[in-house]
Amino acid sequence: GQNIDQPTEMTATEGAIVQINCTYQTSGFNGLFWYQQHAGEAPTFLSYNVLDGLEEKGRFSSFLSRSKGYSYLLLKELQMKDSASYLCASGGGADGLTFGKGTHLIIQP
Amino acid sequence: DAGVIQSPRHEVTEMGQEVTLRCKPISGHNSLFWYRQTMMRGLELLIYFNNNVPIDDSGMPEDRFSAKMPNASFSTLKIQPSEPRDSAVYFCASSFYGTNTGELFFGEGSRLTVL
Repeated sequence: GQNIDQPTEMTATEGAIVQINCTYQTSGFNGLFWYQQHAGEAPTFLSYNVLDGLEEKGRFSSFLSRSKGYSYLLLKELQMKDSASYLCASGGGADGLTFGKGTHLIIQP
Repeated sequence: DAGVIQSPRHEVTEMGQEVTLRCKPISGHNSLFWYRQTMMRGLELLIYFNNNVPIDDSGMPEDRFSAKMPNASFSTLKIQPSEPRDSAVYFCASSFYGTNTGELFFGEGSRLTVL
């Protein structure tokens, strides 16, 4: 089975940096994914890690430690439009993804 | 390119009625997934297909739920009879198994309300 934990809600200030943590326990591992979901919309792909280390993509970075079952998503230079839910997911390949319940990120001016 | 297309976008029905949700995956994708999202339980995988064949339906809550994929471009999720606890947003997603990431592409979802 798979178990994914992430904080329910976080608040940050426009222009600042925020780190959203995720811990996972899986019976098989094909990768760690982060998705963004704005209210009333579909989840959209942000990042993917399969090896340990940091993957950087513009203002967003994602880190993975397989030995610790740990990942984080780092958002820099926060903008109001970054207010959304961020979903950590494990799996990949032909078997789909198991998602955490998501972290609702609130950006304040 | 067209993304994953779901219909209807919204449906309100009464308890006991049959509900059919439809999905057209991205052309060329060979895996299709049905998820359900609620505030309490988040995104739950209900069932998935590879090359039109159901692989794992262990997430289907009970026998009232059924899913089919008669061809590579169409899938349905049916609830009969529907109950108020089935109220949720149902997402269909597709992917191409064989890519490095296995990234899922989601449709806009079907918001179901059962009264």
